[in-house]
Amino acid sequence: GAGVSQSPSNKVTEKGKDVELRCDPISGHTALYWYRQSLGQGLEFLIYFQGNSAPDKSGLPSDRFSAERTGGSVSTLTIQRTQQEDSAVYLCASSLGGQAEAFFGQGTRLTVV
Amino acid sequence: GEDVEQSLFLSVREGDSSVINCTYTDSSSTYLYWYKQEPGAGLQLLTYIFSNMDMKQDQRLTVLLNKKDKHLSLRIADTQTGDSAIYFCAGLRSGNTPLVFGKGTRLSVIA
Repeated sequence: GAGVSQSPSNKVTEKGKDVELRCDPISGHTALYWYRQSLGQGLEFLIYFQGNSAPDKSGLPSDRFSAERTGGSVSTLTIQRTQQEDSAVYLCASSLGGQAEAFFGQGTRLTVV
Repeated sequence: GEDVEQSLFLSVREGDSSVINCTYTDSSSTYLYWYKQEPGAGLQLLTYIFSNMDMKQDQRLTVLLNKKDKHLSLRIADTQTGDSAIYFCAGLRSGNTPLVFGKGTRLSVIA
């Protein structure tokens, strides 16, 4: 596609359920980022994939959060046993790597009720 | 790791200049970026500067970098209502590290 695509755009889930958020990066982009944007909290780094290197998971807030990137393309962010504090907009970005511009998707707004 | 700080709010009158400030902690940051997020939209790169530069100008945008003080600023000349958005400063230490963003500065332009 022309840009980074994220799905779903909105997700409402009950506390305790698992959710999966999907990111389709721009074709050919080797770097992929996940960020979380909470009201008044700015952009919180979650995880970073770069080519075939081991992902940088240093931003994942708890072991309920995990992410994978299959075939160096599509990425899925999974949140298990969701909590109300997980409510936020989850943003995915991709780039050609290095200092190249990161292109962001529109985000998935997650609401945990 | 890198830490990036910004003031949260800025309000200016249409036609005035806006200056958005950012400080960062990691002196080895090699690239510094400004991203813009319009209401309900994703982030878009506005401009960037390499750490070996002091200033970069792009039409109405001027980026100033003071490496000694680890201070980055974005000046928007002749601010318009369409400039109302959240502006994020971001730093990149090296090619294999993630972008680190500040909390964002919400710019409100008053007509």
